[in-house]
Amino acid sequence: QSVLTQPPSVSGAPGQRVTISCTGSSSNIGAGYDVHWYQQLPGTAPKLLIYGNINRPSGVPDRFSGSKSGTSASLAISGLQAEDEADYYCQSYDSSLSGLVFGGGTKLTVL
Amino acid sequence: EVQLVESGGGLIQPGGSLRLSCAASGFTVSSNYMTWVRQAPGKGLEWVSVIYSGGSTYYADSVKGRFTISRDNSKNTLYLQMNSLRAEDTAVYYCARDHDSSGLGYWGQGTLVTVSS
Repeated sequence: QSVLTQPPSVSGAPGQRVTISCTGSSSNIGAGYDVHWYQQLPGTAPKLLIYGNINRPSGVPDRFSGSKSGTSASLAISGLQAEDEADYYCQSYDSSLSGLVFGGGTKLTVL
Repeated sequence: EVQLVESGGGLIQPGGSLRLSCAASGFTVSSNYMTWVRQAPGKGLEWVSVIYSGGSTYYADSVKGRFTISRDNSKNTLYLQMNSLRAEDTAVYYCARDHDSSGLGYWGQGTLVTVSS
């Protein structure tokens, strides 16, 4: 049972827009801690996709965007491409655990 | 260029010990916060431990009292000493570094730890 809750899977056709939600609580996202998103392609290490809720590291396409409100955050991917098919994880900090917390991950399927 | 290279994984019997290493280059391990994150086969990411630049360390409840994170500044290397290993510790262990104190921007390739008799 992950501290942050994500849908197990989402899907979309090429060119479409999908969103992945990440729901936390008052000790993590709701306490104001930043949310970060990672993309993990099969057999590879995770890659930072969004940091500080809304920021993209250099090299990440602007098709990827993040938002945060209250105890939740979202990752949006527009103009879906076949290479976006991967697992996506949200991550924050939890004050009651004094550590980092991850969502359970969401598998994105491009139809 | 920032690089992280883990080593030390392998097959170990339950109750045994193992030390993972994460050799860093392109930056100084003591100037950033460094973490260990693990991923059991077919499962999601699980945070294991963190060491901050000031030396403070924190652990997930699942490993507290059994694992110890440390760093050797002279070797620019991060370590994870794992004792009293259990089957549920079987996972790929990644070391990761922060991205300007926001998110984990740099990851190693991971090292597989298998706890089995």
